[in-house]
Amino acid sequence: GAGVSQSPRYKVAKRGQDVALRCDPISGHVSLFWYQQALGQGPEFLTYFQNEAQLDKSGLPSDRFFAERPEGSVSTLKIQRTQQEDSAVYLCASSSGGGRYGQPQHFGDGTRLSIL
Amino acid sequence: GNSVTQMEGPVTLSEEAFLTINCTYTATGYPSLFWYVQYPGEGLQLLLKATKADDKGSNKGFEATYRKETTSFHLEKGSVQVSDSAVYFCALSNTGKLIFGQGTTLQVKP
Repeated sequence: GAGVSQSPRYKVAKRGQDVALRCDPISGHVSLFWYQQALGQGPEFLTYFQNEAQLDKSGLPSDRFFAERPEGSVSTLKIQRTQQEDSAVYLCASSSGGGRYGQPQHFGDGTRLSIL
Repeated sequence: GNSVTQMEGPVTLSEEAFLTINCTYTATGYPSLFWYVQYPGEGLQLLLKATKADDKGSNKGFEATYRKETTSFHLEKGSVQVSDSAVYFCALSNTGKLIFGQGTTLQVKP
C-alpha cells in the first residue's frame, strides 16, 4: 500500500513568488498534519485537518501561509510572497485516528523548499 | 507550554556498544511519547511509542520507558549496528499534534 506522498520533492523559488506544496495522505486517513523542519532542527507543527475541517492552524507563522483540504483527502500548503526564512523542509503526516493523541503519524518524505 | 529536550549530538559509538539517548519533556496532562527515526535520505519513521506512565515501548532492539516521576523517555539499545546510524527524534502529543525535540544524530562505526 502507498504511504504518504508529497510533491514536488524539491522546489526552488525566487523571493516574492508564490508556491504550492501537495500532500497525498494514506487512503482513508482522517487526520492530516503539516510540519516545517528547519535545517538541524526537529519538525514544528503548522496546521491540522480532520477530514476537510482545519481544526488547528496555530502553527502557521504568518498570513502568507494557507492550507486547504477541500475534499478531505489531498491537501495543499500554499505560501504567498515567499521570503528567505521560508526555506525549510515541509513535512506532511497522516493518521487514522480522529486526532487522538496516541495515534501514530505516518510521514511523507517532505518537500525541500529553497528561496533564493 | 509543552516541550521536549534531547541530548545534543552527534553521538558516535563503535558497533555493539550500548546506546542511551536522553529525552525529557514538559507537558500538561498525560501525553503520549514517541521516538521517530530518520535514516539518511529517508523520511521520518515511527520507532516506538508509549501512551501511559510505566509503559515500555520497544522495536528493533530499541526500548524506552515512560517515566512520569522524572518526565523522561530515554531511548536505549544494548548493541548498536552500523545500520542504526540515523537522526533520532523524541516527541510528545497531548492534543493530536506532535511536539519534537531537536534531534540527536547517531553515528555507529564498524
